[in-house]
Amino acid sequence: DVKVTQSSRYLVKRTGEKVFLECVQDMDHENMFWYRQDPGLGLRLIYFSYDVKMKEKGDIPEGYSVSREKKERFSLILESASTNQTSMYLCASSLSAGELFFGEGSRLTVL
Amino acid sequence: TQLLEQSPQFLSIQEGENLTVYCNSSSVFSSLQWYRQEPGEGPVLLVTVVTGGEVKKLKRLTFQFGDARKDSSLHITAAQPGDTGLYLCAGLSYNQGGKLIFGQGTELSVKP
Repeated sequence: DVKVTQSSRYLVKRTGEKVFLECVQDMDHENMFWYRQDPGLGLRLIYFSYDVKMKEKGDIPEGYSVSREKKERFSLILESASTNQTSMYLCASSLSAGELFFGEGSRLTVL
Repeated sequence: TQLLEQSPQFLSIQEGENLTVYCNSSSVFSSLQWYRQEPGEGPVLLVTVVTGGEVKKLKRLTFQFGDARKDSSLHITAAQPGDTGLYLCAGLSYNQGGKLIFGQGTELSVKP
């Protein structure tokens, strides 16, 4: 089975702190994605990557950056967390333009 | 920007009832996926429909892709409490670089 593992299920951070969200997949997928999920808004794409060291902006990249140094790992970085970044963050991977395999999510609260 | 409008946003029904969730767009999609998300978990793919007019069945769930590939529906027959969860439709558009466009989701609660 494909497994996508997100390092932290729940985080509480203070405004201005730097936040790292780690995601690892074990199926050698080329594509990895970071989404943000908020009630009534569905999933919104923050950043994605089709290859190592490659990254593309999604629909809402402001305030975020990403890193993909290894094929299996895709990190989301909040350089200076703000309260409006309180949300559920979902990492996903896929082999091609098709089924997404999601992690369990990281619920971030910024105080 | 392509949009997928999903309705209803919330649905609370009794066990045994039937229901339909709709996913509509003014744009054409190459394919459309349906995911289900349970509390505390990530979404899991239920089905992918590719051909206009296609109908797929998964036990009590029936998925349909519109003839023009702009809309889709999910019908659940005789809903059970285990069907409770968030249902998400997602369209694949090559106009958007192969990215999936997600609907807002339908929160379904099936009471025993």
